[in-house]
Amino acid sequence: QKEVEQNSGPLSVPEGAIASLNCTYSDRGSQSFFWYRQYSGKSPELIMSIYSNGDKEDGRFTAQLNKASQYVSLLIRDSQPSDSATYLCAVNSPDKLIFGTGTRLQVFP
Amino acid sequence: GAGVSQTPSNKVTEKGKYVELRCDPISGHTALYWYRQSLGQGPEFLIYFQGTGAADDSGLPNDRFFAVRPEGSVSTLKIQRTERGDSAVYLCASSSTGTRGEQYFGPGTRLTVT
Repeated sequence: QKEVEQNSGPLSVPEGAIASLNCTYSDRGSQSFFWYRQYSGKSPELIMSIYSNGDKEDGRFTAQLNKASQYVSLLIRDSQPSDSATYLCAVNSPDKLIFGTGTRLQVFP
Repeated sequence: GAGVSQTPSNKVTEKGKYVELRCDPISGHTALYWYRQSLGQGPEFLIYFQGTGAADDSGLPNDRFFAVRPEGSVSTLKIQRTERGDSAVYLCASSSTGTRGEQYFGPGTRLTVT
């Protein structure tokens, strides 16, 4: 069974801090990796995609991929209360996405 | 442009009834996916269409679930003889070729079976 693992949290960080969200996956054949943000009662929103080892930055978000360790992470710099949500890690297999259970992030003022 | 749309947004039905959930993908997206999400869980894959054909239906839980996409655009997920365990949010996503699998979700249909 191909799996994606995330710590369910909650991860609590103060406003302005860096939030670090982690994800591991089991399928070594995966080539595409995604982070989705999901506010309570809403559907997942794609915020980052990453395909190669290393870092990819987009505004306050940085995705990191290490295929050898089967590890993906998302860093959120200068965290804001509006970043409070559940963050879902997703991995392709090969066309459908396998999701983790999500990490709940709470940013407090 | 317009995103993925799903109707209805909420559906309450009695156990044993038949329901249809509709998804209208982003214009021009050839791939369409159905997922199901239960409380506290990530979305769980049900079925994937490339054009009109179901390319992968391995996630459908049993033969009460069926989906169609007759003209390669709108898709309908059909559930027969609904059970209380079918209660969940049903999500539809679409993607375009060349985007390396980026999928964009609709708002979902919350199905409640009483």
